[in-house]
Amino acid sequence: GNSVTQMEGPVTLSEEAFLTINCTYTATGYPSLFWYVQYPGEGLQLLLKATKADDKGSNKGFEATYRKETTSFHLEKGSVQVSDSAVYFCAANSGGSNYKLTFGKGTLLTVNP
Amino acid sequence: DAGVTQSPTHLIKTRGQQVTLRCSPKSGHDTVSWYQQALGQGPQFIFQYYEEEERQRGNFPDRFSGHQFPNYSSELNVNALLLGDSALYLCASSPLPGATGSNTIYFGEGSWLTVV
Repeated sequence: GNSVTQMEGPVTLSEEAFLTINCTYTATGYPSLFWYVQYPGEGLQLLLKATKADDKGSNKGFEATYRKETTSFHLEKGSVQVSDSAVYFCAANSGGSNYKLTFGKGTLLTVNP
Repeated sequence: DAGVTQSPTHLIKTRGQQVTLRCSPKSGHDTVSWYQQALGQGPQFIFQYYEEEERQRGNFPDRFSGHQFPNYSSELNVNALLLGDSALYLCASSPLPGATGSNTIYFGEGSWLTVV
């Protein structure tokens, strides 16, 4: 089955700093890749996705590129804000009609003013 | 357009009891999945329903069961509750296989279950 590994947290940054959260995956076939964000006390919100190799997903200043050669999907943002403080989850499905997502353990990001 | 809605938001049960959680999918979605998220962990897939049948199942015991109704809404039932069942239970929905956006899953805000 699939597995997703993302960098251990917590990550603490100052406002306007550069963010990278690493994510690698193992999968059979060609998964679609996702980043979800979870704000305190809330459910999961889709942040961005990529469905095939070399695709770049982007949203709200965040971006991630599907790298098949390194089986990675690292999340980046050039200038973080206090409001970006949340837990970020990397996830993979098995593509096609398979709706089962495999998640990483999550990375807690705290951005200080 | 309402998103995925779940009820109840929070509940407390005693060991050995049974619980039923409810989910209404996003409009236009007919596939529903359930996930368990323990504190500090990523969500774990429980099962998926489509056309009122369980289509896929994760590594969860038979104490976890579900149902999907003709209007696509779904229930998750957990019998003989254990302390370790305390978690956030997330419902997710997605469109028909092959439809636009069918590989994207949308989550509700979850039901927090505490077993004491």
